[in-house]
Amino acid sequence: KAGVTQTPRYLIKTRGQQVTLSCSPISGHRSVSWYQQTPGQGLQFLFEYFSETQRNKGNFPGRFSGRQFSNSRSEMNVSTLELGDSALYLCASSLKGAHTQYFGPGTRLTVL
Amino acid sequence: QQQVKQSPQSLIVQKGGISIINCAYENTAFDYFPWYQQFPGKGPALLIAIRPDVSEKKEGRFTISFNKSAKQFSLHIMDSQPGDSATYFCAASMGGDDKIIFGKGTRLHILP
Repeated sequence: KAGVTQTPRYLIKTRGQQVTLSCSPISGHRSVSWYQQTPGQGLQFLFEYFSETQRNKGNFPGRFSGRQFSNSRSEMNVSTLELGDSALYLCASSLKGAHTQYFGPGTRLTVL
Repeated sequence: QQQVKQSPQSLIVQKGGISIINCAYENTAFDYFPWYQQFPGKGPALLIAIRPDVSEKKEGRFTISFNKSAKQFSLHIMDSQPGDSATYFCAASMGGDDKIIFGKGTRLHILP
């Protein structure tokens, strides 16, 4: 089985711009979670989608949003980028109700 | 309540030695405690996991020790090898909730 794929792998944006990141889960996985990873804060949960519905949401401002499509692929969007949004954004997929999450390689976002 | 506290932040161990990473949690509703291993440029990968009804789980050189009354768990890496050099995250989740709470990570370096 192919693993979780994320595109793009690297992205450079400037403050005020918006960005969309994409995640394709493992075939058959219907739950997709997003995390932000920074050196200072570690892995922080952004949100989780299952069957196109957001089931859980972390403590991030409304500039961070996401969605899931009927084929379980997911996108996250960050509007009005700030310097502090520079991070590695990780996507993970799992079977519904399963605790084991499988992570993609991440998208490295740099905001200048 | 939702935090998972991990220590140490960084650890240097001689090849062949034992690496020990500790974690503590507050929420007794957590019922699944995974450890993830992350190499540079990669997403975290599940290493080993335990449920609170057992006190120890061993997989090869990796062992989780779990102390339910103290709300603590630890990862022991026996006969540590340079290839074990990575960042390790402890985590916790509850019920069928796919939201995982991560510790801040331990950067492990094994000296050759």
